[in-house]
Amino acid sequence: GAGVSQSPSNKVTEKGKDVELRCDPISGHTALYWYRQSLGQGLEFLIYFQGNSAPDKSGLPSDRFSAERTGGSVSTLTIQRTQQEDSAVYLCASSPLGGNYGYTFGSGTRLTVV
Amino acid sequence: GIQVEQSPPDLILQEGANSTLRCNFSDSVNNLQWFHQNPWGQLINLFYIPSGTKQNGRLSATTVATERYSLLYISSSQTTDSGVYFCAAPTNTGNQFYFGTGTSLTVIP
Repeated sequence: GAGVSQSPSNKVTEKGKDVELRCDPISGHTALYWYRQSLGQGLEFLIYFQGNSAPDKSGLPSDRFSAERTGGSVSTLTIQRTQQEDSAVYLCASSPLGGNYGYTFGSGTRLTVV
Repeated sequence: GIQVEQSPPDLILQEGANSTLRCNFSDSVNNLQWFHQNPWGQLINLFYIPSGTKQNGRLSATTVATERYSLLYISSSQTTDSGVYFCAAPTNTGNQFYFGTGTSLTVIP
């Protein structure tokens, strides 16, 4: 597609429920990143996918968070047993060959855990 | 990891004024990117600028990699320039960017 597409744009969920967030990167971009931005804060790195390499999961805050990328394209970020501190905007970005060539971000998913 | 510091943290401008935003980074980098996050949360690429100077309309950016800083210039500011400006530097492997804490800009008419 023309840009990075994320869905849903907004998600309200009850504490303890699982949620799935989706990211459709720009066609042909081999690198995909997930970041999290809490209210009024900067961006926190979560996970990085590059082609068929093993993902860099070093930013995932707990084992309740996981992500996969199928077929080198669409990615899903899953948060299990959501907690109120998980409330944030989850941003996905893609890049042609990796971070050294610049990112393009999606519009984000605003997650609210009540 | 790389430390990225931005200044000023907050800035209020009268429409039409010029401003300079600064980004310092703690280690040498081979890339630097400036983003604008609009009031609706969308992050927009402004510049990919590992070194030198680039201009795009009223905006320009300069990175002096040897001195570990980058500057973003906004001339003749408009209310639509309001938002948060982030700079970001990548790790050597490019597996993530380290973001600064941003400069929050408000342009008043």
